[in-house]
Amino acid sequence: GENVEQHPSTLSVQEGDSAVIKCTYSDSASNYFPWYKQELGKRPQLIIDIRSNVGEKKDQRIAVTLNKTAKHFSLHITETQPEDSAVYFCAASQPGGSSASKIIFGSGTRLSIRP
Amino acid sequence: EAGVTQFPSHSVIEKGQTVTLRCDPISGHDNLYWYRRVMGKEIKFLLHFVKESKQDESGMPNNRFLAERTGGTYSTLKVQPAELEDSGVYFCASSRLQNTGELFFGEGSRLTVL
Repeated sequence: GENVEQHPSTLSVQEGDSAVIKCTYSDSASNYFPWYKQELGKRPQLIIDIRSNVGEKKDQRIAVTLNKTAKHFSLHITETQPEDSAVYFCAASQPGGSSASKIIFGSGTRLSIRP
Repeated sequence: EAGVTQFPSHSVIEKGQTVTLRCDPISGHDNLYWYRRVMGKEIKFLLHFVKESKQDESGMPNNRFLAERTGGTYSTLKVQPAELEDSGVYFCASSRLQNTGELFFGEGSRLTVL
C-alpha cells in the first residue's frame, strides 16, 4: 500500500521568510496530492492540492510542486505570517479508484513563525 | 451547511472500559472515513464507508475496534475493551460519492486511556 514520508517534523522560520515542507510517496499509481493545515485545536482543512497531470500549482503565497519521476512533492509558503503557524500534513491518494480511494497522510510538520 | 461533527470532543476512560465515538458527516456525503492521530505521528487511516457499506477497513488495528454506519448516515466507532495504546485523536471525515479528493474533517474526538 501507499506510504507517505514527510520532513521536517518541526520547522521554525522568521516572519517574512519562506518555508518548505517535503514529502515522498511510494505508490506510483497515486495521482492526487493534497495538503492540509491544522491550526491549534481546530480541524484539518485543505489548503491546496495538485494532481499528477501538472508539475506546479500556486495560490497566492502557497505553491506546491510535484515530481512524479522521483515521487516527491513539496509545499512552499512565501512571505510567512504569524497565522501560518500550524501543523501541515501532506497526503497521497487515488480518488475515484475502487478500494484505493483512501487518502494516506504524512506525519505532519509543525511550522512556527517567529516574529 | 453544517460541517462534520464528532462527539464527544474528549473522553477519558480507564483501561478495559468501553468508549463509543460518534460522527455525523455532512449531509449528502456518502463517503465517510475514520482516522486516528497519535501524538507526533501521521493521521492514520482506519476505515472507509461508502454509504452503509465498509469499503476498506484495512487500517483497523484489531478486533477491539468496531465501526458501524447504520442507514448510511452517522457512524460510530466503538473501542472495547480500551487499551493504553488506543489513546489519540480520532478524526472523522466525509466527502461526496463523486469524490474530487477533498476530505472534510470533524474536529476530532480525543481519547485518553488511563
